[in-house]
Amino acid sequence: GQQLNQSPQSMFIQEGEDVSMNCTSSSIFNTWLWYKQDPGEGPVLLIALYKAGELTSNGRLTAQFGITRKDSFLNISASIPSDVGIYFCAGQSGEMDSNYQLIWGAGTKLIIKP
Amino acid sequence: DGGITQSPKYLFRKEGQNVTLSCEQNLNHDAMYWYRQDPGQGLRLIYYSQIVNDFQKGDIAEGYSVSREKKESFPLTVTSAQKNPTAFYLCASSLTGTLPYEQYFGPGTRLTVT
Repeated sequence: GQQLNQSPQSMFIQEGEDVSMNCTSSSIFNTWLWYKQDPGEGPVLLIALYKAGELTSNGRLTAQFGITRKDSFLNISASIPSDVGIYFCAGQSGEMDSNYQLIWGAGTKLIIKP
Repeated sequence: DGGITQSPKYLFRKEGQNVTLSCEQNLNHDAMYWYRQDPGQGLRLIYYSQIVNDFQKGDIAEGYSVSREKKESFPLTVTSAQKNPTAFYLCASSLTGTLPYEQYFGPGTRLTVT
């Protein structure tokens, strides 16, 4: 099935650093979602975006719905140890024939350097 | 509290045996989903259901079966035909037909087949 291009695949960061990751698609989406998954757990929804150009924050996390509707960005400011995990983007075209399915990125693994 | 439960958390089976994974939600969501996740990989859709007594194949349905007899429940059977069943299985649910399209996940079941 279709998959989003999510980058980077992994990131090694120092505590306190800012983090940026993004997802791109070849097709237009009406919805962008960002999830975080801790080891051995299910993904947890962080931020939902529904409008092109929308910028939404959740604490130290900020996500943006790209103007072209083909990309989205997630930024984490002043990273802390509990930020480690895998971050997934997911998009949805909103078209009836898509059955409202989400298209998923492969994930960005965030690792804190010792 | 509303949410999605999956049981058991860990499951061990011998090769050649069918096994059924449980998923229950009390979010009053119409749609439910099963995903498979392999180590270091993203989420791959196995089956989904948008309404009781109806379900559709996802990208990797071969070797799996589902039923949707109740709105709250969407069990997944991993059959002996599934060639590589050891994986982490995630169940999710969402509203349908209208915003928001966010999917909410259960804690997952880790299946090991030897």
